[in-house]
Amino acid sequence: DTEVTQTPKHLVMGMTNKKSLKCEQHMGHRAMYWYKQKAKKPPELMFVYSYEKLSINESVPSRFSPECPNSSLLNLHLHALQPEDSALYLCASSQMAGGGGNTIYFGEGSWLTVV
Amino acid sequence: AQTVTQSQPEMSVQEAETVTLSCTYDTSESDYYLFWYKQPPSRQMILVIRQEAYKQQNATENRFSVNFQKAAKSFSLKISDSQLGDAAMYFCAYRSPYNNNDMRFGAGTRLTVKP
Repeated sequence: DTEVTQTPKHLVMGMTNKKSLKCEQHMGHRAMYWYKQKAKKPPELMFVYSYEKLSINESVPSRFSPECPNSSLLNLHLHALQPEDSALYLCASSQMAGGGGNTIYFGEGSWLTVV
Repeated sequence: AQTVTQSQPEMSVQEAETVTLSCTYDTSESDYYLFWYKQPPSRQMILVIRQEAYKQQNATENRFSVNFQKAAKSFSLKISDSQLGDAAMYFCAYRSPYNNNDMRFGAGTRLTVKP
C-alpha cells in the first residue's frame, strides 16, 4: 500500500482549462517531488519542495505551478497546457531532500490527457 | 554528470526461474546510492532494493538481490524464483549525496514472466 496518495488518477482537460493535481503523504517526510513520465521513458524531475519551500525547479514552463500548503500536501496547478504535456505525473516524497540516501517513495500517479 | 545505462530494453523469464537485469553507471563520486525501482502496469514506482556505495556487502530483499561491483560501476539485479507478479518495467537509479535531489534513472528494462 502506498503512503503517497494522488488525486485524481485520471484527468482529461482542454488547453484553456485550469485544473490541479493533488498529492498527500502520511510518512512525516519533509521533501516532496513532482515528476513527469512519458510513455516508455523514465521519470523526469520537475519540482522539489524541501521544508515547504521550493528548492528545485527544473526549468519547467510556467503553465505548471506547484504549491506546497503544508508538509503533507503538494499540489500542481495546470493552466493553458499543450497536448505534448499529456503524461503520467508522479508525486513522491522522502525524509529529507538532500543526502542521497533518503529513499524516494512514489505515489500511483495521475494520468493527464490534454485535448 | 552521472549517467545510468540499462542495456537490455526487454527481458523475459520463465516462471520460477532466475533472471538478471543489468545496470551500469558513470560517476566520479566515491559515495553515492543506487536503487532498483519496479513499475508494474498500475504505474506506481515501487522501491525494490537499495545499495549504499560504501557498503561492500550486496543488498538482499527476499527474492531480490544485487551484484554491486563498484570498480566496474555495475549494479545488476537478480530475481530468483520469478513470479507472474514480477512482470514490470524495472528502472535502475543513481542518487548523489552531494547534488541536492539529483537522482538519475536508466531507460528501463521491461521484464516479462512466462507461465
